[in-house]
Amino acid sequence: DIQMTQSPSSLSASVGDSVTISCRASQNIGTFLSWYQQKPGKAPQLLMYSGSSLQRGVPSRFSGSGAGTDFTLTISSLQPEDFATYYCQESFSTTGITFGPGTIVD
Amino acid sequence: QVQLVQSGAEVRKPGASVKVSCKASGYPFSGYYIYWVRQAPGQGLEWMGRVNANTGDTDYAQTFEGRVTVTWDTSISTASIEVTRLNSDDTAMYFCARMRIWNGHYLDFWGQGTLVTVSS
Repeated sequence: DIQMTQSPSSLSASVGDSVTISCRASQNIGTFLSWYQQKPGKAPQLLMYSGSSLQRGVPSRFSGSGAGTDFTLTISSLQPEDFATYYCQESFSTTGITFGPGTIVD
Repeated sequence: QVQLVQSGAEVRKPGASVKVSCKASGYPFSGYYIYWVRQAPGQGLEWMGRVNANTGDTDYAQTFEGRVTVTWDTSISTASIEVTRLNSDDTAMYFCARMRIWNGHYLDFWGQGTLVTVSS
């Protein structure tokens, strides 16, 4: 099974800061990596897919990079609505998916 | 527009079963999986299983194999997940979400979530 880790587990930031979240896979997953944002009491929302493709409607201050085992999500200028928990998710396996443990941005 | 509308909150006693539904609309169902993902209070996201809405084929996370059944009813465009032998660790929000079957690798629309509480 593929294991996903994220770092940091939480971070404190201010409006206007640039924020970077890391995600690591236990094996090479190519670019089969997506990022989600979740706010309390809500369903997750897709931000990025295929490592670096921005989902329609997501602000361009979000960007993703990486391939293989190491990936990053960057928020270039943090806005008040960006305080949330962020999850990475791999889909390399043909029979299922695995989420990272999440990173809280507060 | 795409919608995944889930059934309401449930309360069950330990050892019982629960079935949560997810009604899909606004897109061609046969081109998508429905995934089920749960989230225990204060915890992360955990994939449970999925159903191919075209064939009805299913896959399950190893953790849930044998205790969870996912189905798709074409006549009412609704996916369901049944969890048996409930215990307190199954108290969680349960989400459905869709993923394209062909070359799909991400969950682009999610249901609103269904809270299942297991308590004696």
